[in-house]
Amino acid sequence: AQKITQTQPGMFVQEKEAVTLDCTYDTSDQSYGLFWYKQPSSGEMIFLIYQGSYDEQNATEGRYSLNFQKARKSANLVISASQLGDSAMYFCAMREVYQTGANNLFFGTGTRLTVIP
Amino acid sequence: NAGVTQTPKFQVLKTGQSMTLQCAQDMNHNSMYWYRQDPGMGLRLIYYSASEGTTDKGEVPNGYNVSRLNKREFSLRLESAAPSQTSVYFCASSKDRLGSGANVLTFGAGSRLTVL
Repeated sequence: AQKITQTQPGMFVQEKEAVTLDCTYDTSDQSYGLFWYKQPSSGEMIFLIYQGSYDEQNATEGRYSLNFQKARKSANLVISASQLGDSAMYFCAMREVYQTGANNLFFGTGTRLTVIP
Repeated sequence: NAGVTQTPKFQVLKTGQSMTLQCAQDMNHNSMYWYRQDPGMGLRLIYYSASEGTTDKGEVPNGYNVSRLNKREFSLRLESAAPSQTSVYFCASSKDRLGSGANVLTFGAGSRLTVL
């Protein structure tokens, strides 16, 4: 079963507008972490924002905020005041612990965001 | 301040050939990882090394071997390449195991491998 689901393969947003990228997750753990990464066309993976499962406040980093709804198991990324440089692939990921005690980040399939001038 | 450096950036192999992807980090991180990225599938963990001297399998380890040469370097080897291993490979590192807190993965720029 998919641990991370991103249902929007592609999104368009007008420059200077806000956009929400959806992410739902599946885990039975009480302790987990949620991450968002950006992958521009150049290919590198850039960390954007992190939310811990016990964090009561939604995480914010500059123009990025994470709308964390624990009961609904969703961790949507909100980008305010979109810029042309925000055009990229965005990945949601969840940290989970293997039975062996190891850790892994499980990634969703990504959402391609295009900012329109 | 290089971060995570991967080589080579591009490689074309024939089926059955072997090759090694090299990765080095200069951030004094303890944990290192190899992921592969395939279209429509996100990133999947191949192998990781929680600390120097240890390695463990991830989600998709078949056909790969790894070596944690020292704290800085973590290599990924394809002994007999197959077309199914055509992918973009990412090395990553983190200060510690991905335990509590925002122990963030820092990624290399990626290596595009094509197996004919």
